[in-house]
Amino acid sequence: DGGITQSPKYLFRKEGQNVTLSCEQNLNHDAMYWYRQDPGQGLRLIYYSQIVNDFQKGDIAEGYSVSREKKESFPLTVTSAQKNPTAFYLCASQLDTSNYGYTFGSGTRLTVV
Amino acid sequence: AQSVTQLGSHVSVSEGALVLLRCNYSSSVPPYLFWYVQYPNQGLQLLLKYTTGATLVKGINGFEAEFKKSETSFHLTKPSAHMSDAAEYFCAVPSNAGGTSYGKLTFGQGTILTVHP
Repeated sequence: DGGITQSPKYLFRKEGQNVTLSCEQNLNHDAMYWYRQDPGQGLRLIYYSQIVNDFQKGDIAEGYSVSREKKESFPLTVTSAQKNPTAFYLCASQLDTSNYGYTFGSGTRLTVV
Repeated sequence: AQSVTQLGSHVSVSEGALVLLRCNYSSSVPPYLFWYVQYPNQGLQLLLKYTTGATLVKGINGFEAEFKKSETSFHLTKPSAHMSDAAEYFCAVPSNAGGTSYGKLTFGQGTILTVHP
């Protein structure tokens, strides 16, 4: 079955460490997105990529980095520069930018310990 | 850029009662409007999608939403709430900033629906 997979589901990070969240899709979707979710703040866009080898900053990109070397994969690295990384992270994919419907992964909950 | 406002961060209803979750969009008539549902510790699932020309949109699980241009609203309703409807609901609209922003969605703050027995 086609879908979008995020791993791990739960992740613990020590302060000062970089961690990478995985997002893989087998839907043959062109565009992929990373959102951060905090209680009461909705979803905030971190980075997005509409084609391979290209990506754009979203509204809260500071302290995060991404790559898009393959169409199927869009990993997110939370760097030590992100001062408040504890949140729920959601990855989404989109067939193409003329089709606004997103397919979401099941999320990764990151906690700083 | 477009935005949406969801009135009420928490809504509580009794099982069998009407569910009404409010969403207002910011400016010009958007080409699309969405409602998504999120169950605890899961991703978002599409409930329904408005496209230009429709006014009443039917979605999954008995939900529907009515587009009202005069009120810039796209409220979500369900005639009779079920315990399984307890979740967080998000309204979304294309960001509509053009260029590389084409395809992006902007989400509302979310409304948590609680259903009491």
